[in-house]
Amino acid sequence: AQKITQTQPGMFVQEKEAVTLDCTYDTSDPSYGLFWYKQPSSGEMIFLIYQGSYDQQNATEGRYSLNFQKARKSANLVISASQLGDSAMYFCAMREETSYDKVIFGPGTSLSVIP
Amino acid sequence: NAGVMQNPRHLVRRRGQEARLRCSPMKGHSHVYWYRQLPEEGLKFMVYLQKENIIDESGMPKERFSAEFPKEGPSILRIQQVVRGDSAAYFCASSPDGRYGYTFGSGTRLTVV
Repeated sequence: AQKITQTQPGMFVQEKEAVTLDCTYDTSDPSYGLFWYKQPSSGEMIFLIYQGSYDQQNATEGRYSLNFQKARKSANLVISASQLGDSAMYFCAMREETSYDKVIFGPGTSLSVIP
Repeated sequence: NAGVMQNPRHLVRRRGQEARLRCSPMKGHSHVYWYRQLPEEGLKFMVYLQKENIIDESGMPKERFSAEFPKEGPSILRIQQVVRGDSAAYFCASSPDGRYGYTFGSGTRLTVV
């Protein structure tokens, strides 16, 4: 069964607009963490943001925020004020305490920012 | 403080040869993870190692693939008798304690010809 689902294979956003990338996850582990990574065309994996399952508030890092809805098992990434350099693949990922904390990645969403 | 170092960046092997991919974790990180990314796909977990121990190898193919993280030196992912289907980007990541996100290396792009 898919642990991480990203239903948007590709997204377009106008420069300076906000965009939401969807992520839903499946776990029965009460202790888990959720991540978003960015992979530009150069290929490296860049850590963006982390949300723990027990965190009371949604995580924010600069222009990135994570909309964490625990009951719905969703962890959407919101990028505000999109920039051309935001064009990349974005991966949602999860670690489960009962799985030795290894991180499992979703299939990714390709974001293109239009000038 | 150097990041996670992977080498080589690009590796070309003929079918049947061996491929050795090296990963030096960040200083102070004792947890190492290997992932494979096939073209146009996400990252697939392969193996999780701590010094001298394999913790979880549930994502490793049963044959031809092996990984180690010795007491001294880098972690090595070894692929014997490579086939075309092994062509992929192999990423290594490290963590100080297995939590709160990894730091990834730049990856090794393996091409089997």
